[in-house]
Amino acid sequence: KNQVEQSPQSLIILEGKNCTLQCNYTVSPFSNLRWYKQDTGRGPVSLTIMTFSENTKSNGRYTATLDADTKQSSLHITASQLSDSASYICVVSAWYGNNRLAFGKGNQVVVIP
Amino acid sequence: DAGITQSPRHKVTETGTPVTLRCHQTENHRYMYWYRQDPGHGLRLIHYSYGVKDTDKGEVSDGYSVSRSKTEDFLLTLESATSSQTSVYFCAISESKGNHKGYGYTFGSGTRLTVV
Repeated sequence: KNQVEQSPQSLIILEGKNCTLQCNYTVSPFSNLRWYKQDTGRGPVSLTIMTFSENTKSNGRYTATLDADTKQSSLHITASQLSDSASYICVVSAWYGNNRLAFGKGNQVVVIP
Repeated sequence: DAGITQSPRHKVTETGTPVTLRCHQTENHRYMYWYRQDPGHGLRLIHYSYGVKDTDKGEVSDGYSVSRSKTEDFLLTLESATSSQTSVYFCAISESKGNHKGYGYTFGSGTRLTVV
């Protein structure tokens, strides 16, 4: 069973609109949660990293939130641009272990003019 | 991506042949990783290295081996390629363990491998 579930699997939004992506996880004990953006044909690029004590972190038009009690995170994209078309991957790390990260399958976002 | 290079970017090979993928970094990071990415799956860890000649298995290591003779190079070898190993392979580097709060991963641009 995947420890990181993302929804929706895919969505299409109009340029200029906002959207929110969801990530639910079961990883425990929790250390940190990261959001990555992956453009087609490229490697993932880090957007945000949040620890247990952080509930919001922004990177330009991207704002991530974290509720460690309910084990949920969201990534909000404001005023979407065509360049936001990508897969957004939620990655969760446990507090122990030897480098095992739990990866979600990604939210595929397509921004249309 | 700056500081990390994967080669080749694309490769087609025949079933049963050995294949080696190379990851080269200029960041002097201690940790290096090999992942594979397949439709319907998140990135899955194949092997990782925590220093020169120090490597360990990930969750999908069967059929793969790795070597790290220098800090900057991490090689992934498919000993006898099979069609199930058709995938996109990503190398990643980090300054510290993946569970450390302060350190993210930097990923390479990937190698698309097709086994026919």
